[in-house]
Amino acid sequence: QVQLVESGGGVVQPGRSLRLSCAASGFTFSTYAMHWVRQAPGKGLEWVAVISYDGSNQYYGDSVKGRFNISRDNSRNTLYLQMNSLRAEDTAVYYCARGDYGNPFDSWGQGTPVTVSS
Amino acid sequence: EIVMTQSPATLSVSPGERATLSCRASQSVGSNLAWYQQKPGQAPRLLIYGASTRVIGIPVRFSGSGFGTEFTLTISRLQSEDFVVYYCQPYNNWPPRYTFGQGTKLEIK
Repeated sequence: QVQLVESGGGVVQPGRSLRLSCAASGFTFSTYAMHWVRQAPGKGLEWVAVISYDGSNQYYGDSVKGRFNISRDNSRNTLYLQMNSLRAEDTAVYYCARGDYGNPFDSWGQGTPVTVSS
Repeated sequence: EIVMTQSPATLSVSPGERATLSCRASQSVGSNLAWYQQKPGQAPRLLIYGASTRVIGIPVRFSGSGFGTEFTLTISRLQSEDFVVYYCQPYNNWPPRYTFGQGTKLEIK
């Protein structure tokens, strides 16, 4: 069955960088667009970014545009999120999710927590 | 950007009763509306898409309705595991800019 496993979260100081990974299995990864969604402690869901099935197109939420970069390696069935210039407000659990354009997010990983604190 | 407003923020209902959750979009999304359920400490789970189509394996007590800007998630015969948080989401945006409603927490009355 579809499995998404995030990793790379942790505690990082403001202004520093962190890269998250999402390992996919159980489906043909290279044929699906993929997303990152985050959830701050006690808050709702916030969409972060999406990347097309072949990596040629990326779109970002306003709060992360210019600081975060979504990418993928279809040969490794892995999705990435490079997070730069991190701020305290980026503290959240980060989920990867599968969802083609014009479709809902039908599979989610378990999430990886990121804490930005000095 | 489409703004989604869910109401109420918290809904108190007794087990065995029916819960009705609302979601309003700031502009028409047609039938491209999904509902997610999130249990504490877990990732969200897709329940309904196309405003009214249940995902395989989701109990029939979950039903969705609506079109355009007004949507409803109805949960009949509430069971203990249903008392969690529900989010709505439109998914037909182009260019892709996804939003979620702020969530409705269903609590035991």
